[in-house]
Amino acid sequence: GAVVSQHPSWVICKSGTSVKIECRSLDFQATTMFWYRQFPKQSLMLMATSNEGSKATYEQGVEKDKFLINHASLTLSTLTVTSAHPEDSSFYICSARDIEPVAYEQYFGPGTRLTVT
Amino acid sequence: GQNIDQPTEMTATEGAIVQINCTYQTSGFNGLFWYQQHAGEAPTFLSYNVLDGLEEKGRFSSFLSRSKGYSYLLLKELQMKDSASYLCAALDSNYQLIWGAGTKLIIKP
Repeated sequence: GAVVSQHPSWVICKSGTSVKIECRSLDFQATTMFWYRQFPKQSLMLMATSNEGSKATYEQGVEKDKFLINHASLTLSTLTVTSAHPEDSSFYICSARDIEPVAYEQYFGPGTRLTVT
Repeated sequence: GQNIDQPTEMTATEGAIVQINCTYQTSGFNGLFWYQQHAGEAPTFLSYNVLDGLEEKGRFSSFLSRSKGYSYLLLKELQMKDSASYLCAALDSNYQLIWGAGTKLIIKP
């Protein structure tokens, strides 16, 4: 149980285009989903917290107009990187917390590797 | 401010035991997680401690001292596949995870 999927697993796009990444909880409902970014050899950096049916909460320094988050249902959150630039190339990971968390554990998706050329 | 400290890198020998330490300072505390992350992959859950003491799970054990703001992950009978980064994360009063930078564990034959 507690499986989170991400799609796509990797994507290459041209500078200036937009990319959408989907995060789905497959066998549980998640009121809260988290989006992280991880650069090579660095730890996870929380970008935003996404709550179903409400606006996402962005961490300091993360541009909400550039990283659009939509959490339209209890099983799906999307992250859209708008007008992507090479510096946005990174490993994007989502996680989800069960609607009835036993220990507030976050279940992670497999990640999406974005390369902007 | 909130802070998690853990060593950047550790090296150990296959078959040996290694202890990875983590100290934390958070606004409130609702437990501490350890995750394993292999290069290029997402983190996977290893353990959760909210009460003082040692939790043993196979080759891996995790310890917590709330009064000292301290935890460690103990890995026994090390295998080459244990080479990975180990992330310590504390759950604060808002139930947000505060992440450490991770400890890269290198296992040598």
